Amino acid sequence: GNSVTQMEGPVTLSEEAFLTINCTYTATGYPSLFWYVQYPGEGLQLLLKATKADDKGSNKGFEATYRKETTSFHLEKGSVQVSDSAVYFCALSAPSGTYKYIFGTGTRLKVLA
Amino acid sequence: GAVVSQHPSRVICKSGTSVKIECRSLDFQATTMFWYRQFPKQSLMLMATSNEGSKATYEQGVEKDKFLINHASLTLSTLTVTSAHPEDSSFYICSARLRGRGTTDTQYFGPGTRLTVL
Repeated sequence: GNSVTQMEGPVTLSEEAFLTINCTYTATGYPSLFWYVQYPGEGLQLLLKATKADDKGSNKGFEATYRKETTSFHLEKGSVQVSDSAVYFCALSAPSGTYKYIFGTGTRLKVLA
Repeated sequence: GAVVSQHPSRVICKSGTSVKIECRSLDFQATTMFWYRQFPKQSLMLMATSNEGSKATYEQGVEKDKFLINHASLTLSTLTVTSAHPEDSSFYICSARLRGRGTTDTQYFGPGTRLTVL
């Protein structure tokens, strides 16, 4: 079946540190991959996405590359800010025609000033 | 663009009453809307998929008579929690998928509704 595995948090970093949040997936076919961010008490905001192998999604300094050979979609940012503190969810959209998402468990990021 | 709203953002009700939550796509037509439930510090659990003009498809283990979903138009879906009990207290989030964009599968999420049942 389809699944998403995310690194467990919480992740605590100092401001301006480099961020990596690992995400690997299992899927039949070729899923689309997404990163969403959730701030406290809010819904999810789309951060970036990639729809095919070797695509790189990027937004607000965050990047992730769709790696088919390693079935990964790791989220990276070169220099985090306190305002990046949030929960980050990796998700895939299964290529089954239902458009349902499979979410990872979420990774809480805390950035200290 | 692609804004989804939810109303109310927060609701407190007594046990045994019913609560309706609205999910609207503000600037686009949504072919499909999804309803999720999120427990504290946990991931989102898909409850049901709602297509305009047809019955919702519920995930295994979700009581359809408990959680009534109506997708009245291409911009509005409602979730009614019937005879709510304290264990129904949760954060409910909807999402919508754009219509008319081929096979696009991006979901846009609402801000969520915090339900507390006393």
